[in-house]
Amino acid sequence: KAGVTQTPRYLIKTRGQQVTLSCSPISGHRSVSWYQQTPGQGLQFLFEYFSETQRNKGNFPGRFSGRQFSNSRSEMNVSTLELGDSALYLCASSLGVGNQETQYFGPGTRLLVL
Amino acid sequence: GQSLEQPSEVTAVEGAIVQINCTYQTSGFYGLSWYQQHDGGAPTFLSYNALDGLEETGRFSSFLSRSDSYGYLLLQELQMKDSASYFCAVTFTGGFKTIFGAGTRLFVKA
Repeated sequence: KAGVTQTPRYLIKTRGQQVTLSCSPISGHRSVSWYQQTPGQGLQFLFEYFSETQRNKGNFPGRFSGRQFSNSRSEMNVSTLELGDSALYLCASSLGVGNQETQYFGPGTRLLVL
Repeated sequence: GQSLEQPSEVTAVEGAIVQINCTYQTSGFYGLSWYQQHDGGAPTFLSYNALDGLEETGRFSSFLSRSDSYGYLLLQELQMKDSASYFCAVTFTGGFKTIFGAGTRLFVKA
């Protein structure tokens, strides 16, 4: 079974631009969560989607948004990029129906904002 | 607030045993998970404790004490390939939200 895939793997943008990242979950997984990882900060929860609905979100500004499609693929968008948005963005998929499920992470998209 | 505290770095010798602690200030979660992340790689699941006590998976064991708001990951017979970052994480009841600690960087020396 193919793992979680994320595109693009690397991205360079300038301040003020916007960016869209894509995540394809493991086949059969309906939950996709997004995280921002920066050195020393661990993984910061952005939001979680299940069956095209956002079920929860973390403490990020409204510039960060996401969506999920009927095939469970998910995208996240960051508008008006700031230097501090430079990070590794990880998505993770799971079945989404249990109380505690293992999350399977993709390789991440490394975003650099200049 | 919701937070998990871990040591930032731990160093140990090949073949030794190392314990990585995780203390938390939160409630209403299902259990404590541990993930491993090698440099340049994605986090991968290691272990999960839904109940208090010790869970063993090969060379790795994990422990949870809800009354002490504390858990740990125990790595035995350390190998060089165990050099990585280790994260504890909790997923909240009905919230479909997972909070990770800042991670512990483990260095294994020969």
